[in-house]
Amino acid sequence: DTAVSQTPKYLVTQMGNDKSIKCEQNLGHDTMYWYKQDSKKFLKIMFSYNNKELIINETVPNRFSPKSPDKAHLNLHINSLELGDSAVYFCASSPSGANVLTFGAGSRLTVL
Amino acid sequence: GENVEQHPSTLSVQEGDSAVIKCTYSDSASNYFPWYKQELGKGPQLIIDIRSNVGEKKDQRIAVTLNKTAKHFSLHITETQPEDSAVYFCAASNQAGTALIFGKGTTLSVSS
Repeated sequence: DTAVSQTPKYLVTQMGNDKSIKCEQNLGHDTMYWYKQDSKKFLKIMFSYNNKELIINETVPNRFSPKSPDKAHLNLHINSLELGDSAVYFCASSPSGANVLTFGAGSRLTVL
Repeated sequence: GENVEQHPSTLSVQEGDSAVIKCTYSDSASNYFPWYKQELGKGPQLIIDIRSNVGEKKDQRIAVTLNKTAKHFSLHITETQPEDSAVYFCAASNQAGTALIFGKGTTLSVSS
């Protein structure tokens, strides 16, 4: 049973489109994150939510909008996609009060 | 904010040799230092971590050392095996609930 699951695993789309990536965790964790991994494998934090509340919002274009309907879900919506948005996006979760992250398998976004 | 530097970026060893990956951090308030292993097509997975009140921690063939004064920490893998081949990331954070800041990763190749 997958602990942190992301959908879709692969996403190919045209510039200017809007797309969403969904994430769900069944670990009972309170905190969820989105990380972006670029072509050089660099992992960079984008957002963090704790119990549906945004607690970290790094310097990310406002075309990226996270939404957490409940503490088990954190979705990422991206408007007006650009070539530079091509990357692997990882969702992760951790228990409240601890930074032990469990990552999903990633969603590879390719913008043409 | 925190900045984590990781070296080397690539490391090739023969099966049975030891591998060492080093990281430095900038924020003296950081107190949690995990290491993640990322296999091809998968999300990063925690392999070992250390907190600032400990100087060394071992788990079978892997060990992590921490020098708070010098602000650096290292991952040691002994008796390497081909299945150790992966990208390894160090990370640091200064309190629970804040995002982990990752190093840029080390691609380890173990040849038999």
